[in-house]
Amino acid sequence: KNQVEQSPQSLIILEGKNCTLQCNYTVSPFSNLRWYKQDTGRGPVSLTIMTFSENTKSNGRYTATLDADTKQSSLHITASQLSDSASYICVVSPAYSGAGSYQLTFGKGTKLSVIP
Amino acid sequence: DTGVSQDPRHKITKRGQNVTFRCDPISEHNRLYWYRQTLGQGPEFLTYFQNEAQLEKSRLLSDRFSAERPKGSFSTLEIQRTEQGDSAMYLCASSVKYEQYFGPGTRLTVT
Repeated sequence: KNQVEQSPQSLIILEGKNCTLQCNYTVSPFSNLRWYKQDTGRGPVSLTIMTFSENTKSNGRYTATLDADTKQSSLHITASQLSDSASYICVVSPAYSGAGSYQLTFGKGTKLSVIP
Repeated sequence: DTGVSQDPRHKITKRGQNVTFRCDPISEHNRLYWYRQTLGQGPEFLTYFQNEAQLEKSRLLSDRFSAERPKGSFSTLEIQRTEQGDSAMYLCASSVKYEQYFGPGTRLTVT
């Protein structure tokens, strides 16, 4: 069964500090891994997307890493801001099946709270 | 605003009533997806359209649920005989290829 596990479930950090969120997955075969940011009551917004051949990808203060051998990914947030408070969801896409399937497997997310 | 839009944003209904949600994808995105998200959980896939063809449906999509995309543009998701367990955020997303762009969601509360 395809699964995506995220840790920690929730995290509180001080404004200006860095943090790292973890994602482990069992999806196989694997096509790509995405990190989304979801503000409360809003739809997810894409931060990064990495194929199995990529090790790292940055988007401003967000840096995602991927180890396809160990099936682990992390999202590092640098110099956190109050607006970073949100849920961060790891999403894995299986390899294209040829049947038109683009079904994604979502983690439950890490709820990040940045406090002054 | 050229993003994915959903209507309504919030819906409160009584158990047993039917509800219909609408999703307008980004122009020229031929792929459209519906997801359901409950509190504290990640979104769960419901169904997928490529143009007007519904190519995939999750087992979560019981016979009370039906989705359409009649002209390959906007889509509707209807829930018949709503149950309290249907209370959730219903998200729509669209894409050209891999990158899915999500709408703001419709929050359904069944009382």
